[in-house]
Parts: sequence; structure tokens; C-alpha cells
Amino acid sequence: AQSVTQLDSQVPVFEEAPVELRCNYSSSVSVYLFWYVQYPNQGLQLLLKYLSGSTLVESINGFEAEFNKSQTSFHLRKPSVHISDTAEYFCAVRADAGFQKLVFGTGTRLLVSP
Amino acid sequence: EAGVVQSPRYKIIEKKQPVAFWCNPISGHNTLYWYLQNLGQGPELLIRYENEEAVDDSQLPKDRFSAERLKGVDSTLKIQPAELGDSAVYLCASSLRDTSYNEQFFGPGTRLTVL
Repeated sequence: AQSVTQLDSQVPVFEEAPVELRCNYSSSVSVYLFWYVQYPNQGLQLLLKYLSGSTLVESINGFEAEFNKSQTSFHLRKPSVHISDTAEYFCAVRADAGFQKLVFGTGTRLLVSP
Repeated sequence: EAGVVQSPRYKIIEKKQPVAFWCNPISGHNTLYWYLQNLGQGPELLIRYENEEAVDDSQLPKDRFSAERLKGVDSTLKIQPAELGDSAVYLCASSLRDTSYNEQFFGPGTRLTVL
């Protein structure tokens, strides 16, 4: 079975500052990794995903995440955040082996203040 | 393209009452998922449909929860009777088909409050 740990329940940051949201996973098989974002009163939206190839993946709005197999991590980063980035961010993992359910972490609330 | 539609968005009921949630997935998506999201937690899968067949309902509490997707399109999730601990957000998601790399598209959810 897979599991995901997001150690930070909340990350406060000032606008234009850099941010890192941490995600560690556990799995005995190869996995695919995802970051979802949930804005207030909205459903989850896929932010970015790692399937294979380059370990650094980017989103269209400036976020990036790096898959680190040796550290079993998939941390999310942004060099300069905006007020509009305030949301809940969920890391998720899914095994690359037949059907395996998508397993989510507990989420990290990013609070961007002016 | 319309996204995943869920209704109602909010529901308040008293314990022991029945409640139903409706989901209409993105057109053409064969796979439909129902998730439960408790406060401060990530979503947890309740049931997965491939067309009209429930292929994974191992996490669905079958004593009080039921679901159906009769024509392989929209779906209904029911709780009868509701308990206080059922207060949560119920999310519906869909994907073209279920593979590990296919993106799941989520609806806005139904927030259930049981009094």
C-alpha cells in the first residue's frame, strides 16, 4: 500500500516570497505522483504530475516539483507567490501497477498575505 | 467543456434521515469515483465505477451507504440513515478510463452537515 505525508498543515508566507510545500511518500513499487490544488468552495484541480522522464515538472502558473526517489519526496516550490495562490494543496500518489487507488496526503494550507 | 457537476452543494439534515448526492461526470468519461473528505483530511476513495459497474467498493460502508450509476453516466450516492460522523464533503470525480496516469477531474463537492 502507498501512503503520503504532508508534515505542514499550514504555511503562511508573504506575497512575492518563495515557498516550499513538503511531500513524502511511501511505496514498495514504482509510483506516479501528483499535486492537486483546492481553492475555497471549489473542487480539486490537478496542478502538476510526475509520470516518468525528467524528475522536475512544472505547472503553467509557476509551480514546480521535483521527484526524488532516494528521499521518496515530491516537494512543491514556487519562487514568488501571489495572493491568488492561497489555497489547500494536496500531494497524492498512485502505484504504477494495475489499478491502485489515488492516495492523498492530509493537505497543506498555503496562506499568502500582502 | 463542462466540468463534473454535483448537487446539491450543501445539505443539512438531522441524524437518522436519508440523504442523496448526485453527480454528472464529464461527457465521455467512463470512470466515475466517489470520495469522502473529512475536515482537515485528504479525499478517500469510497467507490469506483467503470461505466455502470462498481469495480471497487471495498471502502464503502455498505450498512448505510449505497451508490448507483444505472446508465453509466450520472451517479447517485445515498446514505440511509445518516449519522453525526457522516458530516463531511462528498466529492465526485471522473476520468476517461482508469489508468494510473489518467487525470481525475473533480467536482466542487457536496458539503453534508448532520445535526
